[in-house]
Amino acid sequence: DSGVTQTPKHLITATGQRVTLRCSPRSGDLSVYWYQQSLDQGLQFLIQYYNGEERAKGNILERFSAQQFPDLHSELNLSSLELGDSALYFCASSVGTASNTIYFGEGSWLTVV
Amino acid sequence: DQQVKQNSPSLSVQEGRISILNCDYTNSMFDYFLWYKKYPAEGPTFLISISSIKDKNEDGRFTVFLNKSAKHLSLHIVPSQPGDSAVYFCAARNSGNTPLVFGKGTRLSVIA
Repeated sequence: DSGVTQTPKHLITATGQRVTLRCSPRSGDLSVYWYQQSLDQGLQFLIQYYNGEERAKGNILERFSAQQFPDLHSELNLSSLELGDSALYFCASSVGTASNTIYFGEGSWLTVV
Repeated sequence: DQQVKQNSPSLSVQEGRISILNCDYTNSMFDYFLWYKKYPAEGPTFLISISSIKDKNEDGRFTVFLNKSAKHLSLHIVPSQPGDSAVYFCAARNSGNTPLVFGKGTRLSVIA
């Protein structure tokens, strides 16, 4: 158990819909990262927050957004969903902004039908 | 543009033998490298890391080798055990505030 909690574990939704994925980091960690794992794309970095502020942005679509709340939990919002958005979405956390090791949650499986 | 490449999607090894997983990178600014292991239905977990000031780091059955001139690193597992069967991700970062960049992973199967 990494200490990073993600909900929901599985989600099936229709194209065009909007979903929210939630992440609670490890106790004491201030950074939260979101990664997407598609079938043949490995782990693609989406976005990082540190203590409520956006710190780094990767290959995140404009239809996607994220935020980190004062209690340090984070949400990833995915809207106007397309079939290609079906993937495993991982949240990870670390203590600092540039930590060498990050700790992953178990992921949220999103299936868009 | 894949900055971290794991060119072997899968690898099969007999129990007790050595497993060698390879990783190449293109960004010469990377200075810290990690291997993560992922079992089905679980998130990736940190396995071992190496800084660019070293060329080898060992932790029990796991050893990571770094060849900076070739921009290549490898993970050696010896002896391999059935419980090592998993997907292994290579990751790298540079010294700035940059998140980890991951490869696509190599699925290792250790056959008893």
